[in-house]
Amino acid sequence: NAGVTQTPKFQVLKTGQSMTLQCAQDMNHNSMYWYRQDPGMGLRLIYYSASEGTTDKGEVPNGYNVSRLNKREFSLRLESAAPSQTSVYFCASSEFGTGLTYEQYFGPGTRLTVT
Amino acid sequence: KNQVEQSPQSLIILEGKNCTLQCNYTVSPFSNLRWYKQDTGRGPVSLTIMTFSENTKSNGRYTATLDADTKQSSLHITASQLSDSASYICVVRKTGANNLFFGTGTRLTVIP
Repeated sequence: NAGVTQTPKFQVLKTGQSMTLQCAQDMNHNSMYWYRQDPGMGLRLIYYSASEGTTDKGEVPNGYNVSRLNKREFSLRLESAAPSQTSVYFCASSEFGTGLTYEQYFGPGTRLTVT
Repeated sequence: KNQVEQSPQSLIILEGKNCTLQCNYTVSPFSNLRWYKQDTGRGPVSLTIMTFSENTKSNGRYTATLDADTKQSSLHITASQLSDSASYICVVRKTGANNLFFGTGTRLTVIP
């Protein structure tokens, strides 16, 4: 099992360019998440998908869109990149439900620089 | 406001020594608390998850404690190894919510 995979690993964009970050999981999890991690700050939730067919905003959704393509795949799109979106992006997945200890499994991250 | 604060921000210890990392939170209502290890350039990996009723939980050389009354947790690392060099992140889940609240982490460096 590969777990959670993300592509690309690194990306440099110019301001105003668009791109899509890809994420896939092979653990048959229902829920998937996109986070960003900035220096001196904890991971912040951008969007999440509790189950296939649903998506919801997290703490910092502005400037991003998501698509839950199927149960395995959850993509994050930047329509018009801005320097403030320079960050490391992590995708995660977990089981869905009211279980108290459901675990989130993280991908290796995508390091994005917007110039 | 739901917050998770960790201390110290960074720590350097000699290989073989023990250390304790701290986490204070104001997240309410509390569901569970997790400690993650994040190696440089990698995603976080779970070390322990503790619910309200658990005071102590161990995972090899890692022991986490939780005091839900004072809203404090600690992560104790015994007999540190060079491979323990990483950031350790405290994460608290709120009851009924799908969101987790992340601390900013403690950067641990173990030197020979």
